[in-house]
Amino acid sequence: AQKVTQAQTEISVVEKEDVTLDCVYETRDTTYYLFWYKQPPSGELVFLIRRNSFDEQNEISGRYSWNFQKSTSSFNFTITASQVVDSAVYFCALSDPTNQAGTALIFGKGTTLSVSS
Amino acid sequence: DVKVTQSSRYLVKRTGEKVFLECVQDMDHENMFWYRQDPGLGLRLIYFSYDVKMKEKGDIPEGYSVSREKKERFSLILESASTNQTSMYLCASSLSLQSNQPQHFGDGTRLSIL
Repeated sequence: AQKVTQAQTEISVVEKEDVTLDCVYETRDTTYYLFWYKQPPSGELVFLIRRNSFDEQNEISGRYSWNFQKSTSSFNFTITASQVVDSAVYFCALSDPTNQAGTALIFGKGTTLSVSS
Repeated sequence: DVKVTQSSRYLVKRTGEKVFLECVQDMDHENMFWYRQDPGLGLRLIYFSYDVKMKEKGDIPEGYSVSREKKERFSLILESASTNQTSMYLCASSLSLQSNQPQHFGDGTRLSIL
């Protein structure tokens, strides 16, 4: 069965620290997609990144970087030099091609990141 | 930018009431979704729709129904609200049937059933 595990429930850091959010997934499929979303206190989930199962290149976008390792079924997210505005709940998600629409996502339970000044 | 609009940010209803949560998207997306979000449980899929008048059950459809009469609008209905349906409800849409399409979310509706 498809499953996404975010083992870290809450993380607290001080501004300018680097922080890594872990995501481990399970799937039987050979083709799948992984996503990260950010949910700030305002409530709206914001799409951050999509990665397909054939592309294991790491990606960097400003202070954000993602490390996809198929061998360990992990898709970890690192924020460099964290800022207070990074405080949010972060969700990792896996596409579920087994359902009829093929687009439903399976979400992890989220990691709450608190960055203090 | 995609805009997904949920009709209410906060809603308070009474046990036994019929409750309607409305969601509208403005990008002609094929797919629409309703999730509920609870502390410690993450997001759980209630229902989704991949076309007008088409709907599929998600992981937790009991106590809910949906309606999609127009492509841009997807309504979640609590037939007879109960206190265990107090939650944050999130609507989302995505472009097509391909599984690589990201979902775009509304701001959420925080529903309290008294």
